[in-house]
Amino acid sequence: GDSVTQMEGPVTLSEEAFLTINCTYTATGYPSLFWYVQYPGEGLQLLLKATKADDKGSNKGFEATYRKETTSFHLEKGSVQVSDSAVYFCALIPPGSNYQLIWGAGTKLIIKP
Amino acid sequence: GAGVSQSPSNKVTEKGKDVELRCDPISGHTALYWYRQSLGQGLEFLIYFQGNSAPDKSGLPSDRFSAERTGGSVSTLTIQRTQQEDSAVYLCASSPTGTKTQYFGPGTRLLVL
Repeated sequence: GDSVTQMEGPVTLSEEAFLTINCTYTATGYPSLFWYVQYPGEGLQLLLKATKADDKGSNKGFEATYRKETTSFHLEKGSVQVSDSAVYFCALIPPGSNYQLIWGAGTKLIIKP
Repeated sequence: GAGVSQSPSNKVTEKGKDVELRCDPISGHTALYWYRQSLGQGLEFLIYFQGNSAPDKSGLPSDRFSAERTGGSVSTLTIQRTQQEDSAVYLCASSPTGTKTQYFGPGTRLLVL
């Protein structure tokens, strides 16, 4: 079945470091891909999305590019801040569906000043 | 505008009791979803509503779980005869017609003693 695999955390970085959180997926066809973020004590927020191959989603300095050839949707940010500390979830909605989000396990990101 | 709201924010109950969790979606959103977030299982899809009907109930873990939606708006998730393994954060999301983007509420944290 369809699935999402994320790199295990926690990921610990210093402020202003470059961030990559890997996400790969298994799905037939072209799923829609999402990154959600969960800040401490808060609910899930949509960070960015991409709905077709080679699309780049971006928001708040974060970017992810839909790579069909490698079935990946890695999250990147050029310079992280302490306020980026959160849990990041990669997810997909299978093609032909419009509802069920299939989630990765989440990656906890810790940014140290 | 107002986001998805859920109540209560926290619920502590005794094993064997019934609980009701409420979700108020974003006004005008036709689709509504329930997910469960627990330590051992990550994020799991429970049920999806389009309007008042639930085309997909496949994620409900047992017949102790039920959900309804009335007036195309508010939804209630009911858990009967709660068990300790039901302890989790129950998340509600909604989305407008024609989009796959789901907007999440803050969740209800359920603890079954």
